Amino acid sequence: GAVVSQHPSWVICKSGTSVKIECRSLDFQATTMFWYRQFPKQSLMLMATSNEGSKATYEQGVEKDKFLINHASLTLSTLTVTSAHPEDSSFYICSARPSGKVTKQPQHFGDGTRLSIL
Amino acid sequence: ELKVEQNPLFLSMQEGKNYTIYCNYSTTSDRLYWYRQDPGKSLESLFVLLSNGAVKQEGRLMASLDTKARLSTLHITAAVHDLSATYFCAVDMASGTYKYIFGTGTRLKVLA
Repeated sequence: GAVVSQHPSWVICKSGTSVKIECRSLDFQATTMFWYRQFPKQSLMLMATSNEGSKATYEQGVEKDKFLINHASLTLSTLTVTSAHPEDSSFYICSARPSGKVTKQPQHFGDGTRLSIL
Repeated sequence: ELKVEQNPLFLSMQEGKNYTIYCNYSTTSDRLYWYRQDPGKSLESLFVLLSNGAVKQEGRLMASLDTKARLSTLHITAAVHDLSATYFCAVDMASGTYKYIFGTGTRLKVLA
């Protein structure tokens, strides 16, 4: 149980295009989802918190107009990297926090999306 | 500034040896999490430590938490090659937020 699916797993695109990444909780509902970014050989950095039905909250230094987050339902959050440039190339990982009762595992992580901008 | 620091950053050890990874943090979190990451993969949850003095063990790994010292340890007993990976600790940015700040990571390489 508690599976989080990310799609796509790998995307390569040209500079200037926009890329959408989906994060789905397959067998539970998630009022809150989180988006992280990881550069090679570095740690994970929290980018933003996605809240179902309301605006996302972004961490300091993360451009909200560049990284658009939509949390349209209790099982889906999307991250759109707008006008992507090579410096946006990274590994993007989402996590989902189960709604309702307290669970042993506060967050469940997706498999990640490797984004390469040429 | 919120910080989570791991020591060492890189560890190369022989199979069969023991070693401890340390995680120091500056937040007031009373929860701490350990994850494993294999190259090119996402995170695998290892331990969730929910209170001061918590100790958990799974196979050759044992984790503990001292919230007063803001320190957690991940002890490896009789290492095997399959344990080679990067290990991250993480804490809540603030109590109850569930917004994680991750440690710097420890790359472990176990030599056969």
